[in-house]
Amino acid sequence: QSVLTQPPSASGTPGQRVTISCSGSNSNIGSNPVNWYQQLPGTAPKLLIYSNNQRPSGVPDRFSGSKSGTSASLAISGLQSEDEADYYCAAWDDSLKGWVFGGGTKLTVL
Amino acid sequence: EVQLVESGGGLVQPGGSLRLSCAASGFTFSSYELNWVRQAPGKGLEWVSHISRSGSTIYYADSVKGRFTISRDNAKNSLFLQMDSLRAEDTALYYCARVGRDDYSMGDYWGQGTPVTVSS
Repeated sequence: QSVLTQPPSASGTPGQRVTISCSGSNSNIGSNPVNWYQQLPGTAPKLLIYSNNQRPSGVPDRFSGSKSGTSASLAISGLQSEDEADYYCAAWDDSLKGWVFGGGTKLTVL
Repeated sequence: EVQLVESGGGLVQPGGSLRLSCAASGFTFSSYELNWVRQAPGKGLEWVSHISRSGSTIYYADSVKGRFTISRDNAKNSLFLQMDSLRAEDTALYYCARVGRDDYSMGDYWGQGTPVTVSS
């Protein structure tokens, strides 16, 4: 049971816009920035979004993040086949004194 | 180029010990906080431990507290994870992950991971 809650799966067709939600609590998302990671099959995770809505250099602007209260979301527009991956959200938890992750969302491009 | 290279994983019996290492290069090691994150086969990411720049502040997940010890050697640009009293549920790929300078962008760089299998 993960501290942050994500839907286990999401899907879309090429060119579509999809969103992935991440729900937490006051001690994590409600108090601290949210990060999003993309993990392609057989590879290490890659930071996709940091501080709720910032993209590291090299990440396409098709990827965007937002946060409201104790929830956050990742949006992917202009969906491409290479976006098929697992996506995770994470935040620091002030009560647990540690980083907490969502359970991950497997994105399928139909 | 920032690089994190883990090593030290392997097969160990329940109750045994392993010491993981993470060799860093391409950045000022002492200026960054670091973490260990693991991923059990077919499962999601699980944070394991966090260490501050100087090593003076350390946190552990409840699942490993009292059994794992994180440390760093800033002179040798290395991060370590001493794992004792290993259990089957510790079987996972263990990643070291850097925290960005803002202290919140955890995992701005990751290693490739080192596999740990706990089995008799």
